[in-house]
Amino acid sequence: GESVGLHLPTLSVQEGDNSIINCAYSNSASDYFIWYKQESGKGPQFIIDIRSNMDKRQGQRVTVLLNKTVKHLSLQIAATQPGDSAVYFCAENIAGGYQKVTFGTGTKLQVIP
Amino acid sequence: DTGVSQDPRHKITKRGQNVTFRCDPISEHNRLYWYRQTLGQGPEFLTYFQNEAQLEKSRLLSDRFSAERPKGSFSTLEIQRTEQGDSAMYLCASSSTGGQPQHFGDGTRLSIL
Repeated sequence: GESVGLHLPTLSVQEGDNSIINCAYSNSASDYFIWYKQESGKGPQFIIDIRSNMDKRQGQRVTVLLNKTVKHLSLQIAATQPGDSAVYFCAENIAGGYQKVTFGTGTKLQVIP
Repeated sequence: DTGVSQDPRHKITKRGQNVTFRCDPISEHNRLYWYRQTLGQGPEFLTYFQNEAQLEKSRLLSDRFSAERPKGSFSTLEIQRTEQGDSAMYLCASSSTGGQPQHFGDGTRLSIL
């Protein structure tokens, strides 16, 4: 299938290890952040979100951390599995009524069996 | 399948032809979005509907592009007089009244010959 991961930063992780994917955002007005996973030939799949009044949120095997001081977002995946291999995008929504989501540069996660 | 559905999945056409894509959102979602994604990039916002009203359009949406959502359910995106630069993945997303998170379909891959 066609890859969405061309020319993207790549993170290679051994199966079973934890993965950390980082994202920097630029707009201080952003108040909602989302992580999406995109597999080749498919649309982005929602993983986890966080609002700006929080600094940490946990899901199943995933944790998102938000540092508003340095405008940094991270996605931690515990016990990484081969099925986690994909491109991961962080996205932000800017307060003010507009509904569009702005995507950052993706990171390709490669899980080594 | 209760997710966002897009049709066709692939479209190959000659430069100068018109194309139309369809999106069926998640049934209880009243918000619908169109995005465009090129290889190696994150999706870029094109336009947004709340029910049948088109509330925002990106500058990326030239006058050759038109989107409709006549009954507030499915939506169509038409591109007239296609150009090479229109080759991309066109993604549709939907969300509930709260706006987030947006759930994406698997897109329509457009190739211009």
